[in-house]
Amino acid sequence: LAKTTQPISMDSYEGQEVNITCSHNNIATNDYITWYQQFPSQGPRFIIQGYKTKVTNEVASLFIPADRKSSTLSLPRVSLSDTAVYYCLVGDRANFGNEKLTFGTGTRLTIIP
Amino acid sequence: DTAVSQTPKYLVTQMGNDKSIKCEQNLGHDTMYWYKQDSKKFLKIMFSYNNKELIINETVPNRFSPKSPDKAHLNLHINSLELGDSAVYFCASSPETSSPQETQYFGPGTRLLVL
Repeated sequence: LAKTTQPISMDSYEGQEVNITCSHNNIATNDYITWYQQFPSQGPRFIIQGYKTKVTNEVASLFIPADRKSSTLSLPRVSLSDTAVYYCLVGDRANFGNEKLTFGTGTRLTIIP
Repeated sequence: DTAVSQTPKYLVTQMGNDKSIKCEQNLGHDTMYWYKQDSKKFLKIMFSYNNKELIINETVPNRFSPKSPDKAHLNLHINSLELGDSAVYFCASSPETSSPQETQYFGPGTRLLVL
């Protein structure tokens, strides 16, 4: 299992770009990196997934360096509605195991007006 | 339309009781899951199930049992409830795709309080 480490919390002002970094030093060759967002009293919601370099969708960008030992979720111009907990998850479907599907502590992002 | 739904949303019960939480997905997914999120907000998988196999997290007490009447449903039965079972329980589903890591769709959660 590629264990992940994220900052416990972050604050940012509205309109800023927010970058949340996740460390996964023992990521395996077949592992992908997935980020989820969880609002209070709701289930996690898929944001973005990537394997290497950069992935961008309508919500966020995901930057993955060549060694893949970390990844950075980038949220452009955040608003108050982006206040949530963000989870980084690393795993491989082929090695399906329960540990793979344990979310870490996540990063509690608070957006300040 | 709700993709993954759970009932009830809240469940308050006494120790020792037996209860069930229902989960339904209308996404046509092949795999469903149950997660437990404790007071510290750790989200841990309890079970994953598709029409081929049930994978059980070995740390889950056998008082917990998933039951799938069909592909769209995975219900969670809990016997002899204990105080430590109080948590939020999330159901999720994912497609049987060729994607290396399945994307999971979560339900809204069921908040269980055992008194």
